[in-house]
Amino acid sequence: NAGVTQTPKFRVLKTGQSMTLLCAQDMNHEYMYWYRQDPGMGLRLIHYSVGEGTTAKGEVPDGYNVSRLKKQNFLLGLESAAPSQTSVYFCASGSSGPWSGLFFGEGSRLTVL
Amino acid sequence: AQSVAQPEDQVNVAEGNPLTVKCTYSVSGNPYLFWYVQYPNRGLQFLLKYITGDNLVKGSYGFEAEFNKSQTSFHLKKPSALVSDSALYFCAVRDDAGNMLTFGGGTRLMVKP
Repeated sequence: NAGVTQTPKFRVLKTGQSMTLLCAQDMNHEYMYWYRQDPGMGLRLIHYSVGEGTTAKGEVPDGYNVSRLKKQNFLLGLESAAPSQTSVYFCASGSSGPWSGLFFGEGSRLTVL
Repeated sequence: AQSVAQPEDQVNVAEGNPLTVKCTYSVSGNPYLFWYVQYPNRGLQFLLKYITGDNLVKGSYGFEAEFNKSQTSFHLKKPSALVSDSALYFCAVRDDAGNMLTFGGGTRLMVKP
């Protein structure tokens, strides 16, 4: 009964390094999302996907790339990390339809030095 | 573009007293409104949602929310607060297209014994 699982949970990077965050869901949801959470800013949408093989930009997409090669997985990549990308990242999944709420992972805390 | 405002960064209430956490929204078309709660170092958990119908929506842990179309508000309420209700609360809105869920900045609820 895993729901939404994010790996890794913690990571420290140096400026310019690259990394990938993995999100996996076992609820057969069509929609998946990556948000970042910063103090006083709430959650801001980075990228999202409405189905396998599709992705779209959210509110703050710059500096990030995503891929949805399998329905259950949604990857968030940072090609060249910057200190401004220090944040807590949340993955979420949900069914199609505006009435559907989202299920969230536990978060991944990223620090860029 | 849709948006959500939570005008209070923090709400303080004594245990046993009623609580209200405010939320206003802006969206084109019909609003689909949600409240989520976040405990320290955890992901967001769904509390309740408004889709259509009764303006008073009941949710988890004794919480309820009142939808007011003319004031474009969706305030979260509870008749009697518990210390364990202390957490960060997020209001969110989705439009008819339903692809993106937009969050407010969050309100920290502190319930004192």
